[in-house]
Amino acid sequence: KNQVEQSPQSLIILEGKNCTLQCNYTVSPFSNLRWYKQDTGRGPVSLTIMTFSENTKSNGRYTATLDADTKQSSLHITASQLSDSASYICVVILGYSSASKIIFGSGTRLSIRP
Amino acid sequence: EPEVTQTPSHQVTQMGQEVILRCVPISNHLYFYWYRQILGQKVEFLVSFYNNEISEKSEIFDDQFSVERPDGSNFTLKIRSTKLEDSAMYFCASSEIGTNTDTQYFGPGTRLTVL
Repeated sequence: KNQVEQSPQSLIILEGKNCTLQCNYTVSPFSNLRWYKQDTGRGPVSLTIMTFSENTKSNGRYTATLDADTKQSSLHITASQLSDSASYICVVILGYSSASKIIFGSGTRLSIRP
Repeated sequence: EPEVTQTPSHQVTQMGQEVILRCVPISNHLYFYWYRQILGQKVEFLVSFYNNEISEKSEIFDDQFSVERPDGSNFTLKIRSTKLEDSAMYFCASSEIGTNTDTQYFGPGTRLTVL
């Protein structure tokens, strides 16, 4: 069964600290993996997109890694800011055509405390 | 910066009524999508649309749902006879070329409440 599992479910850290969010997936055929940030009551915003051949991709203070062998990805946030408080969703795309299957994780709810 | 817009922001309806949710995708985008998110649950893919046709739909997108691009700018999702379990946030998204690695831009969502 195609699944995307994220951990932890929620996380609280102090402003300025770093954190790492995890995503494990069991999908086939894998096409690419995305991390989204979703503020409460808003639509998801794309942070990174990684294909099978990419190990790391950065977007400012966000760095995503992908290990296609172990089917794991992580999102590392450096020097957290209050505005980083949001849900972070891991999404895996299956297939290779434009009409592809899209599997969302449940998200990690990140809270940054001053 | 161009963005996807959705109206209304909140829609309240009675069970059994028809609703139409509206989206204006980014103007040069060719691929359009609808997703829903029941409160506290995962985002779920509903349907993708290209060249005035449905490209793919999920099991959720049954005969009660339909999509349309009525005038070249709007993209609508119609629910024919709403059920209590249709209460959710509905997100529209669009992408430029629709490949697997193309970025999808999401709208702010419409909160649908079915009473």
